[in-house]
Amino acid sequence: EVQLVESGGGLVQPGGSLRLSCEASGFTFRSYSLNWVRQAPGKGLEWVSYISTSISSTVYYADSVRGRFTISRDNARNSLYLQMNSLRDEDTAVYYCARGSVTFGGVDYWGQGTLVTVSS
Amino acid sequence: QSVLTQPPSASGTPGQRVTISCSGSSSNIGSNTVNWYQQVPGTAPKLLIYSNNQRPSGVPDRFSGSKSGTSASLAISGLQSEDEADYYCAAWDDSLNGYVFGTGTKVTVL
Repeated sequence: EVQLVESGGGLVQPGGSLRLSCEASGFTFRSYSLNWVRQAPGKGLEWVSYISTSISSTVYYADSVRGRFTISRDNARNSLYLQMNSLRDEDTAVYYCARGSVTFGGVDYWGQGTLVTVSS
Repeated sequence: QSVLTQPPSASGTPGQRVTISCSGSSSNIGSNTVNWYQQVPGTAPKLLIYSNNQRPSGVPDRFSGSKSGTSASLAISGLQSEDEADYYCAAWDDSLNGYVFGTGTKVTVL
C-alpha cells in the first residue's frame, strides 16, 4: 500500500523558516517523481514544487515560492523535503506530499497533509 | 492563482447526472492530458480520473471524463449522497513548467 506521511508543520512567524518532510513507503521511491501541493484554508489546490527521479534531479517551482522554497529528496531514506524560507502570511496552508505517476502526467497518490501557519 | 477555470458549484438530486466543466489553454489542456480529483472536506484529494477518461481501480463507472481542445469535463451519472465533495481538474502546463489545478467545483446532492 502506497503511504506518504508528512511532518514538520507548525506555527512560524513571518520571515521565518520551516522544513517539511514526507516519508514514503509501499513503492520503489527512487523510481517516482514527487510534488508538494498546498491548500490555504477554505481555498483550492495550488501546486508548489516538483522534483524528478534522476540523480541530478530536475526541479520546478510555482512563481509564488520560487527563490524562497527548496525541494529535495533522499532516496536512501525514502524521503522528500521542502525547505521554506522567508515565509509570508499567504503561505499558510495544508501542505500535501504527492507522488507523480509513471503512467500519466500528473499526481496519483497524496499524503494526509501537514498544516503550516504563518502568523505573528 | 488557478489557471484552469471551473464553475464554483453544481448540484443535483440523487440519481441525476451532473457535469463539471474545466477550461484551460493551449499550454495545458490543449497539449497535455487532464486528471480529476475528488476531495471530501477535511481529507486529502483522491485521484478520480486520469489521462482524460481513465478510471483508477476502485472508482465507480458512474464517473467519466472527456476532453476536447482546451476544455475538459467530468460527468457524474446516478448521483449519490457520497458524491458530495469538491472536484478539481488538473493538467501539466508547458509554459509554466508546473502542474496546474482548476478553481474547484463543490458538488451538492439535494
